[in-house]
Amino acid sequence: AQSVSQHNHHVILSEAASLELGCNYSYGGTVNLFWYVQYPGQHLQLLLKYFSGDPLVKGIKGFEAEFIKSKFSFNLRKPSVQWSDTAEYFCAVNAQGTYKYIFGTGTRLKVLA
Amino acid sequence: NAGVTQTPKFRILKIGQSMTLQCAQDMNHNYMYWYRQDPGMGLKLIYYSVGAGITDKGEVPNGYNVSRSTTEDFPLRLELAAPSQTSVYFCASTPVSGRAGDTQYFGPGTRLTVL
Repeated sequence: AQSVSQHNHHVILSEAASLELGCNYSYGGTVNLFWYVQYPGQHLQLLLKYFSGDPLVKGIKGFEAEFIKSKFSFNLRKPSVQWSDTAEYFCAVNAQGTYKYIFGTGTRLKVLA
Repeated sequence: NAGVTQTPKFRILKIGQSMTLQCAQDMNHNYMYWYRQDPGMGLKLIYYSVGAGITDKGEVPNGYNVSRSTTEDFPLRLELAAPSQTSVYFCASTPVSGRAGDTQYFGPGTRLTVL
């Protein structure tokens, strides 16, 4: 069965610090990978996604993620966080050709001004 | 486009009451989903639909029912509310599941409390 692990449940950073959130998945086949963000009081929205090609993908607001197939990982990064990045971040996996999207448990990021 | 809309935004139910959470999308998406989000648990799939007239169970379907009579609408029914159903419910849709890079579009959520 597919699963997604996000090891950091809560992260607190100061503004301008660098961010890396871990995401590992278990599935042997071809996958689509996503990071979604949920700002306080808002619904989930797509941050970035990978489905083929360059394993380094860039998303909105300066975020990027790298797909490392050998490690089954899709870690999210941002060189310099801002207070407005305070949110909950979810990694999700979709096995290509299937209906199902598996979400991780989320990482709550708090950025201190 | 309004995207994915959900009503109501908030609701408090008493144990044993029933209600329907409404979800609609105007993007002509085939696939629609219902998730529940509990603190520290991520999103769990309740039911999904691949098109009008076709629905199937997800990971946590007990206590819920769905129908899909049109492409646009995908209501979720709670028949006998229980405190364990206190959660935030999200509806989502995708154009076609499984295609490369299909993004899920989420509604704003319904916060349900069962007392």
